Amino acid sequence: QVQLVESGGGVVQPGRSLRLSCAASGFTFSRYGMHWVRRAPGKGLEWVSFIRNGGTNQNYADSVKGRFTISRDNSRNTLYLQMDSLRAEDTAVYYCARDGPHFDMDSWGQGTLVTVSS
Amino acid sequence: QSALTQPPSVSGSPGQSVIISCTGTSSDIGSYDRVSWYQQPPGTAPKLLIYEVTNRPSGVPDRFSGSKSGNTASLSITGLQAEDEADYYCSSKLSSDTWVFGGGTKLTVL
Repeated sequence: QVQLVESGGGVVQPGRSLRLSCAASGFTFSRYGMHWVRRAPGKGLEWVSFIRNGGTNQNYADSVKGRFTISRDNSRNTLYLQMDSLRAEDTAVYYCARDGPHFDMDSWGQGTLVTVSS
Repeated sequence: QSALTQPPSVSGSPGQSVIISCTGTSSDIGSYDRVSWYQQPPGTAPKLLIYEVTNRPSGVPDRFSGSKSGNTASLSITGLQAEDEADYYCSSKLSSDTWVFGGGTKLTVL
């Protein structure tokens, strides 16, 4: 079955960097686009970024554009999110999700918590 | 990338029905059938409930249904059960491989 496992979260000071990983299994990773979605405390889901299956095209929410970079290693079945110049408002649980065939996100990981605080 | 508009909360008693609305614009919901709905019970990951406005993935009970009229999509839940208590989110794919979520609706089963 599809499994997505995020890692790399933690506490980081404002202005610093962090890299999240999402290990995929149970499906042919290289055939699917992938998303990062976050949920800040007390708030709703926010789409963060998307990368196509081949890694040639990436898109970002305006709130993270220029600070976050999505990438993938299809040989390792792993998705990444490099987060630079972190701000307090980036504090959230970050989920990776598989891009489904119907403009949806059909499988989700359990999430990893990122806390940006001094 | 403005968020879609959902009511913050809805409630109903077991066995009753509720409807959650999701309002966008003529550029997103009004123009394309790219609306999906997600359920997120407390402390768990989101789960896909509805895709392309009206379709249920296998395993989702037929108590859950979706529809759309103009710029507004709706999620209907009939025969409410205690386990339905969760946050519900609509989402729409925009152009150029970007997506937007609604603000979320907390469903309370009384």
